Amino acid sequence: SAVISQKPSRDICQRGTSLTIQCQVDSQVTMMFWYRQQPGQSLTLIATANQGSEATYESGFVIDKFPISRPNLTFSTLTVSNMSPEDSSIYLCSVGQGPRTEAFFGQGTRLTVV
Amino acid sequence: GQQLNQSPQSMFIQEGEDVSMNCTSSSIFNTWLWYKQDPGEGPVLLIALYKAGELTSNGRLTAQFGITRKDSFLNISASIPSDVGIYFCAGLTLTGANNLFFGTGTRLTVIP
Repeated sequence: SAVISQKPSRDICQRGTSLTIQCQVDSQVTMMFWYRQQPGQSLTLIATANQGSEATYESGFVIDKFPISRPNLTFSTLTVSNMSPEDSSIYLCSVGQGPRTEAFFGQGTRLTVV
Repeated sequence: GQQLNQSPQSMFIQEGEDVSMNCTSSSIFNTWLWYKQDPGEGPVLLIALYKAGELTSNGRLTAQFGITRKDSFLNISASIPSDVGIYFCAGLTLTGANNLFFGTGTRLTVIP
């Protein structure tokens, strides 16, 4: 399976600021996704990152709060904008070779907003 | 979104014991996946199941895709301390934009 690297691995941020998380894959992949995992919870899909076009967001997530870029088949970024303590979570990049195939995950970015 | 219920929520077992956990849903899935998440890491895929009734092993792990396609179970035999972590089931559908749904997780603690 592909090697997925996320940066940063963790960060502590002030409320009202924004953080951009990077996801780099060592091979071209069809699908890239961004998930949020709140403390002690399961994984929730934020959006599907589409190459060269706007991301597809799930209910409850909006582009203004979580802008996503995907300039090519190996790289994507997620920005968490205007952060509040409620945004403290693990953010996970995931990849797959098709829309109906297994997903593989990066190591995650642990975000704490103070 | 679709709800996948895992049980038990948490388990404390002695090293060497066998472990069994399951995942149930009100919806049918076409693929069942089992992941393990270590502290500070992303989930790692353990086993994938593609057909109803399928029984698949990966070392000490065995998982089955339920006949009704609404459930799956994971067994771990002869547990060891490094089995500690959170185990998630996930169901994959063939329809809809968001087609991968995660269970609530089972937190496993192995006591040496």
